[in-house]
Amino acid sequence: RKEVEQDPGPFNVPEGATVAFNCTYSNSASQSFFWYRQDCRKEPKLLMSVYSSGNEDGRFTAQLNRASQYISLLIRDSKLSDSATYLCVVNDPSNTGKLIFGQGTTLQVKP
Amino acid sequence: DTAVSQTPKYLVTQMGNDKSIKCEQNLGHDTMYWYKQDSKKFLKIMFSYNNKELIINETVPNRFSPKSPDKAHLNLHINSLELGDSAVYFCASSQGQGRSETQYFGPGTRLLVL
Repeated sequence: RKEVEQDPGPFNVPEGATVAFNCTYSNSASQSFFWYRQDCRKEPKLLMSVYSSGNEDGRFTAQLNRASQYISLLIRDSKLSDSATYLCVVNDPSNTGKLIFGQGTTLQVKP
Repeated sequence: DTAVSQTPKYLVTQMGNDKSIKCEQNLGHDTMYWYKQDSKKFLKIMFSYNNKELIINETVPNRFSPKSPDKAHLNLHINSLELGDSAVYFCASSQGQGRSETQYFGPGTRLLVL
């Protein structure tokens, strides 16, 4: 079983749509969770951290369910510029700074 | 004003050659990393250094040798390149190695081994 699992997609949605991505992780001792965004042929960049209580940043909402070891990202009112790969990332409990990346979910927003 | 820079951006070379990739960060961070992203897009940690000290050394062939001359630089030397080494190599840095630290990535080095 992969340490961090995501549906690779692609998700093809029209502009203005709401889309949700899910991710599961295998190590219950992980403490920190993130969504990174990677544009085609570019480096990953932090989109947002994910907190236990859930958190929102503009059109983006992240949720964490520790009991189910499940993380989600909701994007409302999709823009063309949201087209990218969204990487679910979990820290390794070893406290070395090691991050474990999911394969990523590709989103394509169409006009 | 590039925060994390890597050179070269592209590297095409023959099997069996030795090559190096350089990374520099101007963020004043203590921790630096090397990642490999394969053709299936999985991004996997290879090494990390904290203040020039090796912290993470994943199961990587010993043909790969990182070197950190100072905390702003982390270079990666690869001996006897193999076809399977073809990938994108990303350098990253973070303030420290705490679990909540944001990692900042360089633009990547696209390595193609022929």
